[in-house]
Amino acid sequence: DIQMTQSPSSVSASVGDRVTITCRASQDIRSWLAWYQQKPGKAPKILIYAASSLQSGVPSRFSGSGSGTDFTLTITSLQPEDFATYYCQQADSFPLTFGGGTKVEIK
Amino acid sequence: VQLVESGGGLVQPGGSLRLSCAASGFSFSDYSMNWVRQVPGKGLEWVSYISGSSNIIYYADSVRGRFTISRDSAKNSVFLQMNSLRGEDTALYYCAKDRAGSSWNFDHWGQGTLVTVSS
Repeated sequence: DIQMTQSPSSVSASVGDRVTITCRASQDIRSWLAWYQQKPGKAPKILIYAASSLQSGVPSRFSGSGSGTDFTLTITSLQPEDFATYYCQQADSFPLTFGGGTKVEIK
Repeated sequence: VQLVESGGGLVQPGGSLRLSCAASGFSFSDYSMNWVRQVPGKGLEWVSYISGSSNIIYYADSVRGRFTISRDSAKNSVFLQMNSLRGEDTALYYCAKDRAGSSWNFDHWGQGTLVTVSS
C-alpha cells in the first residue's frame, strides 16, 4: 500500500498569510494526487486533482504542485473561510490512501 | 449532484448493516462510486470502489471479506453491505462520486451516515 505522509500536522496562521502543506508518498505516484478541504461537521471538498489542476469553483489562491513522491498545497493570502483541515489523497493505485491531515488554525 | 446516505445506526459486534446512497443530478452509470469512512475527530479512510458498470470492485484490506459494495442503476443507488462488524468499523460513512468517470478521486460527497458498533 502507498503511505501518504502530510506535514505539518497543524499550522497556525493569520489572515493574509501564505500557507504551504506538504504531502509525501511512499512510492512514485506520478501526478495522481488530490487535495481536499474539510470543515468541522462537513464532508470533504476537493480542491486540486492531478497534483496541480484546480477544481472548478475553487478560488485561485489555492494551488498544487509536485510529482513523483513530493507534493505541495499552497494557499496564498489565507482567508477566514480557509481555516479547516486539509487532506491529500493518492489516486495512483488501490487501495486509495489519504494523508493524515493538516489542520490550519487561526493564530 | 446530490448524494444521500442512509442505513447507519447502532449495531452489536458481529452484526450486520446495509448502507445505501441515493444519487441524483448526474448520469449515474457513467461514474464509479466509493465509500469513505471517518472516525469522528480522525482522518479519512477509503473503504470500497465500484466502477460504473460494476465490473471492477476494490476493497480496503480492513474490510475485505466482510463488506460488499454493489450498485443498482435502476435506482441510482450504491450500497455497502457490512457483515461481521467490529468496534473499529465505528465511523461516519460517506458515499463519494468519482470526479471524472474513473479518476479515483472524489468531487461530490454525501453528508455521511454514522455507524456505531458497540454492545
